[in-house]
Amino acid sequence: DGGITQSPKYLFRKEGQNVTLSCEQNLNHDAMYWYRQDPGQGLRLIYYSQIVNDFQKGDIAEGYSVSREKKESFPLTVTSAQKNPTAFYLCASGPSMNTEAFFGQGTRLTVV
Amino acid sequence: AQRVTQPEKLLSVFKGAPVELKCNYSYSGSPELFWYVQYSRQRLQLLLRHISRESIKGFTADLNKGETSFHLKKPFAQEEDSAMYYCALSHLNYGGSQGNLIFGKGTKLSVKP
Repeated sequence: DGGITQSPKYLFRKEGQNVTLSCEQNLNHDAMYWYRQDPGQGLRLIYYSQIVNDFQKGDIAEGYSVSREKKESFPLTVTSAQKNPTAFYLCASGPSMNTEAFFGQGTRLTVV
Repeated sequence: AQRVTQPEKLLSVFKGAPVELKCNYSYSGSPELFWYVQYSRQRLQLLLRHISRESIKGFTADLNKGETSFHLKKPFAQEEDSAMYYCALSHLNYGGSQGNLIFGKGTKLSVKP
């Protein structure tokens, strides 16, 4: 069953801890993205990657880090430096830039 | 810098009425423009893209480079059209080697019976 999978669906973190959100796709897509979705803010781009071993900062990269060691995986780490990490995080992938993006179901992160 | 603006947070219409969701963009090159839709409890998904010039679920969108707009239209709204709609822009930086996909803040469409 092809698609893009984010896990876990819900995640709780204690303040001051790093946490990693998983994003896996078996669509053989080159491009992958991470967005943060907040009420009234739409989708804001955190990081994106066009190819393995390469990624670029988006508009709100501070306090986040990513890696792209494999084509199918693009994990996002929310570090303790992120001031307001409680949010809904969306991962997406696409065949390349300028093409349709396919979205995961999202991960809701809550800092307690 | 590139930017996508959706001026309306909420648009409420009655069933059968025409709908227009506004989208304006700021970009000096030739962008690729999309409309994405998110129905309740479903994933965000592509509705249409300007390059395909097709009608999906009765929706159309025309790219107006002079007005830098990509408004989404439907002549007769249906209740099942109620959803969150996002306009998005994708571009390639000079040289064509880098780019990203950015979204507007979204418009919630509510179609009343």
